[in-house]
Amino acid sequence: QVHLQESGPGLVKPSETLSLTCVVSTASVDSGHNWGWIRQAPGGGLEWMGNIHNSGTANYSPSLRSRVTMSLNASKNQVTLRLTSVTASDTAIYYCATLHYDILTGYCPYWGQGTLVTVSS
Amino acid sequence: EVVLRQSPDTLSLSPGQKATLSCRASQSVSSNYLVWYQQKPGQAPRLLIYGASSRATGVSDRFSGSGSETDFTLTIARLEPEDSAVYFCQQFGYSVWTFGQGTKVEIK
Repeated sequence: QVHLQESGPGLVKPSETLSLTCVVSTASVDSGHNWGWIRQAPGGGLEWMGNIHNSGTANYSPSLRSRVTMSLNASKNQVTLRLTSVTASDTAIYYCATLHYDILTGYCPYWGQGTLVTVSS
Repeated sequence: EVVLRQSPDTLSLSPGQKATLSCRASQSVSSNYLVWYQQKPGQAPRLLIYGASSRATGVSDRFSGSGSETDFTLTIARLEPEDSAVYFCQQFGYSVWTFGQGTKVEIK
């Protein structure tokens, strides 16, 4: 079982940069697991934002690629998400999750509880 | 981008009945990369099924998945009140990983 806990500012002003942290327990961010970020608008569906391999290589959703950066902080055992130039449409619950993906299958077995980010002035 | 369309949007059934949830893809998706999640209010999604038909650890055998190419199904047998939730499918088969919009299962 991998435990994940997201944290962030809660409220971000339009045009500013959103930064979120996912603290990982019982696993190392830089070995054995890969990581994904998924968001969910209030009352809405799920959107895959991107994923980062334990080597640090990241893949982003084309719709967010120009604004999103994911990274690993091995010393703090954290996965970070940075989203620039936010607008109200970025208001959502942001989840980090473990990602299992290979030539046989893909799925997200463990998820954090999520953190709500509201974009408003 | 592969679009996943789930139906119905809402399913209202009684305890003990069987629920059949559909997930249709706009292009053929490898069944290896079709996943189902359950999400209860205020909670994160929970992995139910991966590889279209393999149950995740700890998932009741009342949940089963099937399908191939563009048509996938999640079946919940003998519904229980705790099965009230939104169910999402997801595909990892193409470079852009997408979710269906969800089916809400209500237990009368």
